[in-house]
Amino acid sequence: AQSVTQLDSQVPVFEEAPVELRCNYSSSVSVYLFWYVQYPNQGLQLLLKYLSGSTLVKGINGFEAEFNKSQTSFHLRKPSVHISDTAEYFCAVMKTSGSRLTFGEGTQLTVNP
Amino acid sequence: EAGVAQSPRYKIIEKRQSVAFWCNPISGHATLYWYQQILGQGPKLLIQFQNNGVVDDSQLPKDRFSAERLKGVDSTLKIQPAKLEDSAVYLCASSPAGHRGNTIYFGEGSWLTVV
Repeated sequence: AQSVTQLDSQVPVFEEAPVELRCNYSSSVSVYLFWYVQYPNQGLQLLLKYLSGSTLVKGINGFEAEFNKSQTSFHLRKPSVHISDTAEYFCAVMKTSGSRLTFGEGTQLTVNP
Repeated sequence: EAGVAQSPRYKIIEKRQSVAFWCNPISGHATLYWYQQILGQGPKLLIQFQNNGVVDDSQLPKDRFSAERLKGVDSTLKIQPAKLEDSAVYLCASSPAGHRGNTIYFGEGSWLTVV
């Protein structure tokens, strides 16, 4: 079975500061990795995903993530955040042989002026 | 392109009552999912359909939850009778069939409060 641990439940930052949201996963098989964002009262929107190839993945809204196989991590970063980035962020894994997402518990990012 | 449509967006019911949620996936998407998201937690898969067949319902509480996807398009998730712990957001999602690692697209969710 796969599991995802998001190491911080809440991350407060100031506007224009850099941010890193941490995600570790556990799996006995190969996985794909995803980051989703959820704005208040909305569904989940894909930020980026890692399937194969370059370990640095760029997504929408200036976010990027780096896959580290040895550390089983997939941390999300943004060099300069905006107020509008305030949302819940979910890391998820999917077996390469399957099509089901397993989510972490989420990280609430709050960007303050 | 229209996204995943869900209704109703909000529902309040008393425990032991029944409720049904409807989902219309993105046109052409063969795979449909229902996830349950309890406040403060990540979404958890309840059931996955491929066309009109069930692929995975291992985490669906079958004594009270049921789901169907007639004709391989729309889907309905029903809860009967509801319990207080069923209060959650029910997210429908869809993805194309075939290539592994396809993006899964989510609807805005149906918010259920059981009182």
